[in-house]
Amino acid sequence: AQSVAQPEDQVNVAEGNPLTVKCTYSVSGNPYLFWYVQYPNRGLQFLLKYITGDNLVKGSYGFEAEFNKSQTSFHLKKPSALVSDSALYFCAVRDDKIIFGKGTRLHILP
Amino acid sequence: GAGVSQSPRYKVAKRGQDVALRCDPISGHVSLFWYQQALGQGPEFLTYFQNEAQLDKSGLPSDRFFAERPEGSVSTLKIQRTQQEDSAVYLCASSGGDLREQYFGPGTRLTVT
Repeated sequence: AQSVAQPEDQVNVAEGNPLTVKCTYSVSGNPYLFWYVQYPNRGLQFLLKYITGDNLVKGSYGFEAEFNKSQTSFHLKKPSALVSDSALYFCAVRDDKIIFGKGTRLHILP
Repeated sequence: GAGVSQSPRYKVAKRGQDVALRCDPISGHVSLFWYQQALGQGPEFLTYFQNEAQLDKSGLPSDRFFAERPEGSVSTLKIQRTQQEDSAVYLCASSGGDLREQYFGPGTRLTVT
C-alpha cells in the first residue's frame, strides 16, 4: 500500500538560512510526488511535482525538491528562508490515489 | 481567472441533519477530487471524478456520504444523518488531468453539534 511520511511536525529556521522539510514515501509502482503549501485561512497551493526526469525539481516561490529513489525521499528545500515562507507544508504521493502526509509546520524566525 | 470555489464556507448542522456541500471547479478541468481534512491532519482522499464519471469512491467513510457531478462540472458532496465525527473541513480540488497539479478551493468547515 502506498504511504507518505513527514517525520517532523514542526521545523524552525532563522530567516536567511537554508531550509529543508522532509518527506519519505512508499509506493508499489513509479512515484508521482507533490508538495503543497497551506497558508492560514487559505486553500492549499501547489508548489512543485516530480513525475519523471531530473531528480531536482524547481517550483514556486524559490522552492525546490530532490527526488531520491534509493532513499525513497522527496525533501523540500529552499536556499534562503523568508519570514513569509511560514506556513503548513504537505507532501503527497500518487499511486492509485493521492495520499497526503500529515503536514509540517514551518516557522521562519526573523 | 476564477479558481475553485466552494459553498457554503461554514456549515453548522445538528446531529442527524443532512448537508450538501457544493464545489465549482475551474472551467474545463476534467478531474475533480473531494478530501476531508481533520484538524491538524493532512487532507484525506474521499472520491474522484473524471468528467461526470465517479472513478474512485473508496475513500468515502460510510454509505452516508454521497457525491455527484452530473454534468461534469459542478459537484455536490452530500452527507446524510450527520454525526459529530463528520466535523471537518471538506476540500474540493480540480485539475486539468490525472497527473497534473490540483487546484484547491477554500474548503467548507462543517461542524456537527
